[in-house]
Amino acid sequence: AQSVTQPDIHITVSEGASLELRCNYSYGATPYLFWYVQSPGQGLQLLLKYFSGDTLVQGIKGFEAEFKRSQSSFNLRKPSVHWSDAAEYFCAVVPSGGSYIPTFGRGTSLIVHP
Amino acid sequence: GAVVSQHPSWVICKSGTSVKIECRSLDFQATTMFWYRQFPKQSLMLMATSNEGSKATYEQGVEKDKFLINHASLTLSTLTVTSAHPEDSSFYICSATGPPHNEQFFGPGTRLTVL
Repeated sequence: AQSVTQPDIHITVSEGASLELRCNYSYGATPYLFWYVQSPGQGLQLLLKYFSGDTLVQGIKGFEAEFKRSQSSFNLRKPSVHWSDAAEYFCAVVPSGGSYIPTFGRGTSLIVHP
Repeated sequence: GAVVSQHPSWVICKSGTSVKIECRSLDFQATTMFWYRQFPKQSLMLMATSNEGSKATYEQGVEKDKFLINHASLTLSTLTVTSAHPEDSSFYICSATGPPHNEQFFGPGTRLTVL
């Protein structure tokens, strides 16, 4: 069974600083990979996704993620964080060519200091 | 991307009553819908998967008789929490997928509070 690890429960950054949220997965083949953001009391908003092709994926709100097969990682990055980026971030993997049922990481809470 | 709606966005009910939550795909045919539960500060927990016209497949530990799921059409799935109790209070999120999409689209969630 696949698993997703987000090793950081909380990350605190200053506004304007760069950000990297880590995500590692365990799966036999290359899965589909997603990053979602969730504001308090809200549903999930898709930031970006990787299915195949270019391993550097651009998303909304200035986010990007890089798929590294050798490290089984899909880390999320943003060069300059805004206060409005404070939220919960979830990495998810879905088996390619199958059920579309994602496995979510436990989430990383991003705190942004002014 | 495709749009999924949920109704209601929040509901408060008395213990022992039943509550129905609707999940609709607005601009695509959702052949498969999913229901998740999310506790505060935690990740999403998949409760069940439903294919249109078929019985839902429940995850281990989820009570089928308590969480009734119906997926009668390609645009609507419902989750009924029967005889709700305070421990059922949670944030319930649905998602949907269907051709030509190969990803899930999430609804905005429903906050259930059982008094």
